[in-house]
Amino acid sequence: QQQVKQSPQSLIVQKGGISIINCAYENTAFDYFPWYQQFPGKGPALLIAIRPDVSEKKEGRFTISFNKSAKQFSLHIMDSQPGDSATYFCAARYGNNRLAFGKGNQVVVIP
Amino acid sequence: EPEVTQTPSHQVTQMGQEVILRCVPISNHLYFYWYRQILGQKVEFLVSFYNNEISEKSEIFDDQFSVERPDGSNFTLKIRSTKLEDSAMYFCASIPGPDTQYFGPGTRLTVL
Repeated sequence: QQQVKQSPQSLIVQKGGISIINCAYENTAFDYFPWYQQFPGKGPALLIAIRPDVSEKKEGRFTISFNKSAKQFSLHIMDSQPGDSATYFCAARYGNNRLAFGKGNQVVVIP
Repeated sequence: EPEVTQTPSHQVTQMGQEVILRCVPISNHLYFYWYRQILGQKVEFLVSFYNNEISEKSEIFDDQFSVERPDGSNFTLKIRSTKLEDSAMYFCASIPGPDTQYFGPGTRLTVL
């Protein structure tokens, strides 16, 4: 099943707070899990990515937590800023570098 | 920093017309992709292209769609006879090898 399920659908966070977005998958053949950030009218831009042999990856204020046994991974945005307001997509790679995307999560950071 | 570019940014066409969406991948990249995103929905894979041929295609990529790399820089998506449901953002992506895909800014296709 080449699906990635993403939740919640939308999120409102106060400036300085933590944004958490969760994704779940079924296909154990997925071998790479990127998160993309998309602003209105723009293409998805890679934010951070993780491979399934790693449980956590941190880059600046962004952290991916990966739970292989539960087939779940999540994005944490620490110290959320108004400039982080965007749509966030989790994705999973399979086949010949195909990406299966989640439905997206709209994050709004309130000043 | 090198970027994937796409033209036009917005294309309006009548149902039944042919459209060609153009992409210029990053110059040393070898793998090319088209995805689409219907308004408010997730990004969906259409087709991958490597070594001048299609590597994989999704069930969305039917006989109305075709891709071509006519020269060393452009990568095109053609829709022969557009339908209303083809209205979407179309994203081109490229990679140098098995790595993260870099997406272009997209072409918004509106079919009337």
